[in-house]
Amino acid sequence: AQTVTQSQPEMSVQEAETVTLSCTYDTSESDYYLFWYKQPPSRQMILVIRQEAYKQQNATENRFSVNFQKAAKSFSLKISDSQLGDAAMYFCAYKAGYSGNTGKLIFGQGTTLQVKP
Amino acid sequence: DTAVSQTPKYLVTQMGNDKSIKCEQNLGHDTMYWYKQDSKKFLKIMFSYNNKELIINETVPNRFSPKSPDKAHLNLHINSLELGDSAVYFCASSQDPLAGDNEQFFGPGTRLTVL
Repeated sequence: AQTVTQSQPEMSVQEAETVTLSCTYDTSESDYYLFWYKQPPSRQMILVIRQEAYKQQNATENRFSVNFQKAAKSFSLKISDSQLGDAAMYFCAYKAGYSGNTGKLIFGQGTTLQVKP
Repeated sequence: DTAVSQTPKYLVTQMGNDKSIKCEQNLGHDTMYWYKQDSKKFLKIMFSYNNKELIINETVPNRFSPKSPDKAHLNLHINSLELGDSAVYFCASSQDPLAGDNEQFFGPGTRLTVL
């Protein structure tokens, strides 16, 4: 069974600085997708960034980028120029590729990010 | 316009009661999901429906029953509520899940408290 692990329950960063959130996963599949979701205090789940496993190039979305290491099964999220509005809980998630795809997202435990002014 | 809406946002009820949470999406998606977020914030899928057909039923007690009257709605009925059912329940929707990177759009969540 696939699992997703976020080993950092809490992280903090100074405003305008850079922070990296870690995520590792376990799967025997070669085709899959990875996501980072943000959950602010409003509890709304918001997609931050996604990565297809077959793509070697790391995904980027403005201040958000990932470091995808397929062999190491690692998928970290880097937030540059952190802003107060980035404070939230961040979830790493895995979804199987075509052959086993039911749409199910498997989530990590979450990392609470605090941004200090 | 709200893409995925849930009602109610908060639900407080007594143990043993039966309750329902409604979900509607106006995105034209074929697939809808229910996730449960427990008190430790852990998120886990419960059900998935594709075109009104159940495709995922994780190990959820049969007191929980999803009902999809049409592909824009997926309601969650819970019978004989227990204290352990207290959680936040999220509805989500997506286009065809076989297109793997399709984003799931989440509703605002329903916080259920069982007393």
